Amino acid sequence: EVQLVESGGGLVQPGRSLRLSCTASGFTFGDYGMTWFRQAPGKGLEWVGFIRSKAYGATTEYAASVKGRFTISRDDSKSVVYLQMYSLKVEDTAVYYCGNNYGYNRADSWGQGTLVTVSS
Amino acid sequence: DIQMTQSPSSLSASVGDRVTFTCRASQSITNYLNWYQQKPGKAPKLLIYAASSLRSGVPSRFSGSASGTDFTFTITSLQPEDFATYYCQQGYSTPYTFGQGTKLEIK
Repeated sequence: EVQLVESGGGLVQPGRSLRLSCTASGFTFGDYGMTWFRQAPGKGLEWVGFIRSKAYGATTEYAASVKGRFTISRDDSKSVVYLQMYSLKVEDTAVYYCGNNYGYNRADSWGQGTLVTVSS
Repeated sequence: DIQMTQSPSSLSASVGDRVTFTCRASQSITNYLNWYQQKPGKAPKLLIYAASSLRSGVPSRFSGSASGTDFTFTITSLQPEDFATYYCQQGYSTPYTFGQGTKLEIK
């Protein structure tokens, strides 16, 4: 059974940094891209970015709203994908989800989400 | 960026009804269209991918179809557990944008 577990969320002040982790199990992690999504309170889903598998260079893509502030990386030896967030803004407040990236760039499984609150 | 427009934004229906939502892409995305279900306080779940392929384990009352840049999602014979918000997402080009969602409510 595929399991994705996010961690690292919490309350952080504007301008500070935070790193989220997503630990995967139940599939061959290194063979797949991984995606981060977010959902602001009461709002819809937003694609944040993703990282390809090492077979595709572990290259990354980002939404314009986070490009230059967020970085996605992966550690295949630990089956973990990270979302490093810098220069956080109040509007980054959201539940952050990770998903595995399968064909058609679908997120076949999702984690339970971790809440990030950016507030002074 | 590709814009995804879902309609309606909300819909009221009864158990046993057949319902249909639509999602329109601002440009061609071929069949790179996925549908997700989200219940309050829970993570989304994938139901349909590649416009019309049913994810393993998803009941057959859910289906999807495509016609050009218009995509349709159908639930035949609504069950109580189907009342949720449904999102379409294009996987054709980054950013992989979502529609704004359709909230399916009990009449």
